[in-house]
Amino acid sequence: DAGVTQSPTHLIKTRGQQVTLRCSPKSGHDTVSWYQQALGQGPQFIFQYYEEEERQRGNFPDRFSGHQFPNYSSELNVNALLLGDSALYLCASSLLTGVNTGELFFGEGSRLTVL
Amino acid sequence: AQSVTQLGSHVSVSEGALVLLRCNYSSSVPPYLFWYVQYPNQGLQLLLKYTTGATLVKGINGFEAEFKKSETSFHLTKPSAHMSDAAEYFCAVSEAGGYNKLIFGAGTRLAVHP
Repeated sequence: DAGVTQSPTHLIKTRGQQVTLRCSPKSGHDTVSWYQQALGQGPQFIFQYYEEEERQRGNFPDRFSGHQFPNYSSELNVNALLLGDSALYLCASSLLTGVNTGELFFGEGSRLTVL
Repeated sequence: AQSVTQLGSHVSVSEGALVLLRCNYSSSVPPYLFWYVQYPNQGLQLLLKYTTGATLVKGINGFEAEFKKSETSFHLTKPSAHMSDAAEYFCAVSEAGGYNKLIFGAGTRLAVHP
């Protein structure tokens, strides 16, 4: 049983560009949460998707957007990249009922470097 | 609003020594509390959690933590450190009930020396 898979694992972009990160949740999971982990920091909640809708959003600008597909996979899009967007982006999957009981399964992340 | 403070960004112990990683939280509602571990180039893995019931919770790899409401703390301990325990540890909090997000602390990097 595959766990949470994220792609790409590493990527480099320049300021002003756009990026799309992808996540396939663990089999059986219906909820995907995205977190940003800057160097030396803990993960910061970006948003959460369930039933193809954004259910919750953290304190991130509208440049950060997402999507969830019928097969529960998800994308994170970031427009107009800034240097400060350089971070590890983590996808976490769960059942909706497991979101706040810690039953999150994390992928290994996509490391974005903005030059 | 909820928040988590982890005291000590770096902790170094000798192999076989006690591990103590400190976590204090702030929450206006009953919290759920968690410890996650992150090994290099890997995602986060749940070590243990407190939701309801017994305040001393045991997790994987011999770790345990105690929820102390009066001290708003959830410190992580392990009686005897192994080299394989070297990793980054994150404390997190969420609101009890509902489907709320996890709020993470800044993390503590644990180094274990022979």
